[in-house]
Amino acid sequence: DARVTQTPRHKVTEMGQEVTMRCQPILGHNTVFWYRQTMMQGLELLAYFRNRAPLDDSGMPKDRFSAEMPDATLATLKIQPSEPRDSAVYFCASGLVLSEGEQYFGPGTRLTVT
Amino acid sequence: GENVEQHPSTLSVQEGDSAVIKCTYSDSASNYFPWYKQELGKRPQLIIDIRSNVGEKKDQRIAVTLNKTAKHFSLHITETQPEDSAVYFCAASSGNNRLAFGKGNQVVVIP
Repeated sequence: DARVTQTPRHKVTEMGQEVTMRCQPILGHNTVFWYRQTMMQGLELLAYFRNRAPLDDSGMPKDRFSAEMPDATLATLKIQPSEPRDSAVYFCASGLVLSEGEQYFGPGTRLTVT
Repeated sequence: GENVEQHPSTLSVQEGDSAVIKCTYSDSASNYFPWYKQELGKRPQLIIDIRSNVGEKKDQRIAVTLNKTAKHFSLHITETQPEDSAVYFCAASSGNNRLAFGKGNQVVVIP
């Protein structure tokens, strides 16, 4: 049963520290999405990759967030420096270009910034 | 861009009854409409989806209907069980494989 994996599952850090979240998409998938989920805002799209190329990162605060796909099996989301308002659950999802819209979510990283 | 709205925000049903959640979307070009179920502390899971070339799709106790003219689609859960209690998100395709999500509906099944 192929699944998206994410690490770490939980992260507690102090304000100002760097946070790196990792995602392994389902093998063979060529679209990768990063979402942030909060009670107030719901699911917000932060970044989107297709065939490892960033297509849309308009939802991301550019000054502190960055997203990359070093290879087809790894996507990373970094926050530097982190702030308390970044506390949320960060989900990665993957899909196939030819399956318009179908996305499968990872278990998420619950981030707490104190 | 695409805007998706869900109603009602919270729905309580007696076990065994049916639950219906409705979503509206704004972009007539959207052609893919998935529903996700998210249990507390878990990932959103794709439970059913429909593409714009069909009006209804069913999978055991869940079904989705699509009305393209009115730009709304609904999730129907029959014979609800306690394990159906969760937050349900609808979404609509918004171009380039992206999805626009609704805010979610909390469904509570009362035993």
